[in-house]
Amino acid sequence: QVQLVESGGGVVQPGRSLRLSCAASGLTFSDSYMHWVRQPPGKGLEWVAFISKDGQTKRYADSAVGRFIVSRDNSKNTLYLQINSLTVGDTAVYYCATDGEAGSLDYWGQGTLVTVSS
Amino acid sequence: YVLTQPPSVSVAPGQTARITCGGPSIETIAVNWYQQKPGQAPVLVIYSDGDRPSGIPERFSGSNSGNTASLAISGVEAGDEADYYCQVSGGSGGPRFFGGGTKLTVL
Repeated sequence: QVQLVESGGGVVQPGRSLRLSCAASGLTFSDSYMHWVRQPPGKGLEWVAFISKDGQTKRYADSAVGRFIVSRDNSKNTLYLQINSLTVGDTAVYYCATDGEAGSLDYWGQGTLVTVSS
Repeated sequence: YVLTQPPSVSVAPGQTARITCGGPSIETIAVNWYQQKPGQAPVLVIYSDGDRPSGIPERFSGSNSGNTASLAISGVEAGDEADYYCQVSGGSGGPRFFGGGTKLTVL
């Protein structure tokens, strides 16, 4: 079965950088469009970024433009999200998800918590 | 694209819960629905307005007309208590938009 496992979260100071990873298994990763979605504590879901199968096309939410970088390594079946200049507002659980039919996100990882605090 | 959901819906066990998702001319866009229980990742329960992924009970159904899409859960059980989110796509490779979420309470 499809399994997505995020890692790399933790407590980080404002202004620092962090790289999140999402290890995929049970699917042909190189044939999968991928997304990052985040959820601040007690709040709703916010789409963050999209990357195409070959990594050539990337899209970002307005809140992510300029500070977030999505990338992938198909040889390692791994998706990444680099977050620079972290702010308190970036505190959230970050999920990776696969792109499904009708623009849905059909498989999700369990999430990794990023806490930005001094 | 702004999607509007009621913050909360309450229903008695065995009844039908209906959760709405409003947006301008939303009937022209495919709507997807997710269930999220506390401490867990979201789960896709309806895609393309009314299709169910494998493993999702027939009790879950969706519709989309005019400016409102709806998720219906018939024969509601205690285990259906969760947050529900609607979502649409901004096109292939485009952004994904989520509604604010609706907390379903089973009385």
